[in-house]
Amino acid sequence: TQLLEQSPQFLSIQEGENLTVYCNSSSVFSSLQWYRQEPGEGPVLLVTVVTGGEVKKLKRLTFQFGDARKDSSLHITAAQPGDTGLYLCAGVQSGYSTLTFGKGTMLLVSP
Amino acid sequence: EPEVTQTPSHQVTQMGQEVILRCVPISNHLYFYWYRQILGQKVEFLVSFYNNEISEKSEIFDDQFSVERPDGSNFTLKIRSTKLEDSAMYFCASSEATPAGTGELFFGEGSRLTVL
Repeated sequence: TQLLEQSPQFLSIQEGENLTVYCNSSSVFSSLQWYRQEPGEGPVLLVTVVTGGEVKKLKRLTFQFGDARKDSSLHITAAQPGDTGLYLCAGVQSGYSTLTFGKGTMLLVSP
Repeated sequence: EPEVTQTPSHQVTQMGQEVILRCVPISNHLYFYWYRQILGQKVEFLVSFYNNEISEKSEIFDDQFSVERPDGSNFTLKIRSTKLEDSAMYFCASSEATPAGTGELFFGEGSRLTVL
């Protein structure tokens, strides 16, 4: 069982569509981060959420941390081909200090 | 913009050989990490390092692995006797604060290790 379950594993959409990807756990997290990773490169941090219910926006990306701090979602509005990549959520469980990653959602946006 | 740099970008080695992967973290960061990603699998935590000592390590980080900060800038990962299953992309990361304190990790571009 994965600590952080991400869904869907793979998503292929057309440019201009909206999408939401999810990161779920049965554990409580003190913080949760979203990264984007492109092939052959390291993960690049997009956002950190800390407070239950928190919503953060980064241009067309909206991140939400669940009220119970066990889950998070990433919503992309009007997706563009440049959004293509592997979206990873990573969290620190309450009482721990290690950042643990989910398996990621591979997003492909076609022109 | 400050970044984490890693060398080599790709190393091919024979099984049983020693490998050293090098990283230069961001200069004002205090926490350093190694993660690995086997092809097609998730990013896995190996070890964290703070104040010149290991602060946490995973089950993967066995006696074959060691880390060192030999000077004020480099942070190295040594694999003493490589196995086929060590083939992976190894990522170094650094942060100003511990992730438990919402410290944000900055990753290098990775070193791809291929063990033959």
